[in-house]
Amino acid sequence: TQLLEQSPQFLSIQEGENLTVYCNSSSVFSSLQWYRQEPGEGPVLLVTVVTGGEVKKLKRLTFQFGDARKDSSLHITAAQPGDTGLYLCAGAGFGNEKLTFGTGTRLTIIP
Amino acid sequence: DTGVSQDPRHKITKRGQNVTFRCDPISEHNRLYWYRQTLGQGPEFLTYFQNEAQLEKSRLLSDRFSAERPKGSFSTLEIQRTEQGDSAMYLCASSLWVSGELFFGEGSRLTVL
Repeated sequence: TQLLEQSPQFLSIQEGENLTVYCNSSSVFSSLQWYRQEPGEGPVLLVTVVTGGEVKKLKRLTFQFGDARKDSSLHITAAQPGDTGLYLCAGAGFGNEKLTFGTGTRLTIIP
Repeated sequence: DTGVSQDPRHKITKRGQNVTFRCDPISEHNRLYWYRQTLGQGPEFLTYFQNEAQLEKSRLLSDRFSAERPKGSFSTLEIQRTEQGDSAMYLCASSLWVSGELFFGEGSRLTVL
């Protein structure tokens, strides 16, 4: 079973601060995706990373895939209240067509 | 196309009753997934289809759960003899290719009393 542990589980910070969310596993993934979910809605894809060591930027969000493709991080610069939500990482195995989701990080940005 | 739609959005039932959820995926997507999510946790994989074929089913899924996707279009998820532990959000998602972006519906929230 591929398990993805996210940390921290909860994070509450002031607007304007920086933060990093981590996604760790003992398994190797062919690709890893990050989703954000708001209350009452389904998760929405933010980014997909495929290559070990890959870094992708989406405005104030920076995503990194670990060299060994077992872990990933999401860094948010100058957090805004609109960043509030449940952040989920999801990994795809090799030859396995389902995504396994992480445990989630609930982020609250205080104005 | 308006995206993935799920029905009903909310269902309250008594323990022991059967419930059925429906999912209409994005029309050109041939892969359809069911996930279950409890409050504040990540979605847990239940099963997935490629066209009408059910290709994988979670070992955590009891025999009370069954899913179908006749004709490779919409899908139904039925839970028989519901238990309080079945209370959760049931999410449907579809995708166009292997390990591609999942497009989720808004979910069907089940409460078993």
